Amino acid sequence: DVKVTQSSRYLVKRTGEKVFLECVQDMDHENMFWYRQDPGLGLRLIYFSYDVKMKEKGDIPEGYSVSREKKERFSLILESASTNQTSMYLCASRSGGANYEQFFGPGTRLTVL
Amino acid sequence: AQRVTQPEKLLSVFKGAPVELKCNYSYSGSPELFWYVQYSRQRLQLLLRHISRESIKGFTADLNKGETSFHLKKPFAQEEDSAMYYCALGETSGSRLTFGEGTQLTVNP
Repeated sequence: DVKVTQSSRYLVKRTGEKVFLECVQDMDHENMFWYRQDPGLGLRLIYFSYDVKMKEKGDIPEGYSVSREKKERFSLILESASTNQTSMYLCASRSGGANYEQFFGPGTRLTVL
Repeated sequence: AQRVTQPEKLLSVFKGAPVELKCNYSYSGSPELFWYVQYSRQRLQLLLRHISRESIKGFTADLNKGETSFHLKKPFAQEEDSAMYYCALGETSGSRLTFGEGTQLTVNP
């Protein structure tokens, strides 16, 4: 079974803080993704990575950055957290090739006060 | 740009009734369509994909390229089907998925 883990289930931060969300997968997947999940808006892609040190912007990258130094780990960074970044953050991974199935982590519920 | 629309945010049916969750897409290429499901307090997981043409947990979905739709259907809903359902579109030349807004299905006893 593919296992995608996220460092925190719940996180509370203050406006202006730098926030790190960590994601680790154990199936040697090339591709990793960060989404935010908001009611009525569905899942929106923030960033994704198709290889170590490679990244591409998704649909809503503003206010976020990412880091992928090792294949199994993909970090999402909020440089200066704001209240409108309060959300559920989901990490996912998938193998390369034609198989599109993405495997999701349990999510991190981030609250910015 | 690709887009996925799920017109119903909430859908409520009674146990044993048929259920249809609507999904429409816009994409200039040949689409790969998927349904993902998230049960309460569980992680998001793949339910089915159009290319495999299989039935999972009694659900089926047919890709209609003329109507650009990929509606999810089940003839007899069960209470355990209550969940959030997302339709997703995969690009033929990329790795990303575009998700719809989601439909919260509630099956009442």
